[in-house]
Amino acid sequence: GAGVSQSPSNKVTEKGKDVELRCDPISGHTALYWYRQSLGQGLEFLIYFQGNSAPDKSGLPSDRFSAERTGGSVSTLTIQRTQQEDSAVYLCASSLGKKDTQYFGPGTRLTVL
Amino acid sequence: AQSVSQHNHHVILSEAASLELGCNYSYGGTVNLFWYVQYPGQHLQLLLKYFSGDPLVKGIKGFEAEFIKSKFSFNLRKPSVQWSDTAEYFCAVIHNDMRFGAGTRLTVKP
Repeated sequence: GAGVSQSPSNKVTEKGKDVELRCDPISGHTALYWYRQSLGQGLEFLIYFQGNSAPDKSGLPSDRFSAERTGGSVSTLTIQRTQQEDSAVYLCASSLGKKDTQYFGPGTRLTVL
Repeated sequence: AQSVSQHNHHVILSEAASLELGCNYSYGGTVNLFWYVQYPGQHLQLLLKYFSGDPLVKGIKGFEAEFIKSKFSFNLRKPSVQWSDTAEYFCAVIHNDMRFGAGTRLTVKP
């Protein structure tokens, strides 16, 4: 079956612009996660969705970051007024449940000029 | 703060050398443990995982890891590395949610 897909694979934007990153999880996976991977850094947790529950937003670095998940499937991560420090690879993962194995997408490489 | 620690930032080995990458965590209670690998230009893939049972788990490509509860450790091992093992390795722990270590870059020289 299809894995986790993300689009776009690369995004170059100018400082101050808004960007939207998309994640399509594995069908049937109720849990969805967003992470940020900066050069030389580990994975930084951003946000977690589980079914219809309120998302865990505890990892979002600022109020410029937001995410939604429509219909319990596709998720969009939005970064408003992008800054150069937002440049990173944004990874999406999905799993059957919160404590199950997470399967990762290929990521979106965001470059803010 | 509770965390996942990978003490080796960059490991360089020759082919056929043995590998051990350290992973320690600071969560008490029940945890699920994972090692993920990221080959150059590829996305994160699951290498192996421990949920319960035999603390010595075997994964793909000859890798294994041992869960030692008393030491809060889940070290990754491989008896003989290959050039194709060059990658970044991440330890991850699920307690209430998943947290990753900073990663260890492994370079295997042919």
